[in-house]
Amino acid sequence: ELKVEQNPLFLSMQEGKNYTIYCNYSTTSDRLYWYRQDPGKSLESLFVLLSNGAVKQEGRLMASLDTKARLSTLHITAAVHDLSATYFCAGTYGGATNKLIFGTGTLLAVQP
Amino acid sequence: NAGVMQNPRHLVRRRGQEARLRCSPMKGHSHVYWYRQLPEEGLKFMVYLQKENIIDESGMPKERFSAEFPKEGPSILRIQQVVRGDSAAYFCASSHRQGRDTGELFFGEGSRLTVL
Repeated sequence: ELKVEQNPLFLSMQEGKNYTIYCNYSTTSDRLYWYRQDPGKSLESLFVLLSNGAVKQEGRLMASLDTKARLSTLHITAAVHDLSATYFCAGTYGGATNKLIFGTGTLLAVQP
Repeated sequence: NAGVMQNPRHLVRRRGQEARLRCSPMKGHSHVYWYRQLPEEGLKFMVYLQKENIIDESGMPKERFSAEFPKEGPSILRIQQVVRGDSAAYFCASSHRQGRDTGELFFGEGSRLTVL
């Protein structure tokens, strides 16, 4: 059964700093997703990573996937307050079900 | 193109009552997933449905919970005889998975159930 773990669970960082959130998964996953959730809101899709070595960037966020290490990272560059949210990674079995298995989330608080 | 629509957004029930949560997928999507999020936790898969069929209900509690996705109308997650532990946010997601697309899930705003 696929298990997904994220670390850290909580991250407080200053504006302008860089940091990385790590997502490890236990078995083969067809693809890896990153989502953002603001308090009381739904999940916003950030990235879908489909293959080993995939790297995607959007603004100050960059996600990568290493399927051999079963590791995905979400790198934050020069953080700004607007990035404060909870970030989830999720893997999937794919196949007929395509259900997502979520990590526990990383609460990011960017301080001015 | 409207997104995934869920209602009600907030629902308060007393213990023992029934809760019905509705989800209309995005236009053209025929795959619906329900997830539950307990406070300060990640989302847990509950059930996956296609029109008129339950494909995977491995995450559904064995009792009191049921889901359907009829040929016409929204998908419904039904919780009978609610207990305080059912208090959570319930998210619906839909996808249009065919061929080589990513099978990406699009989430609704969620229904927040509070059991008194």
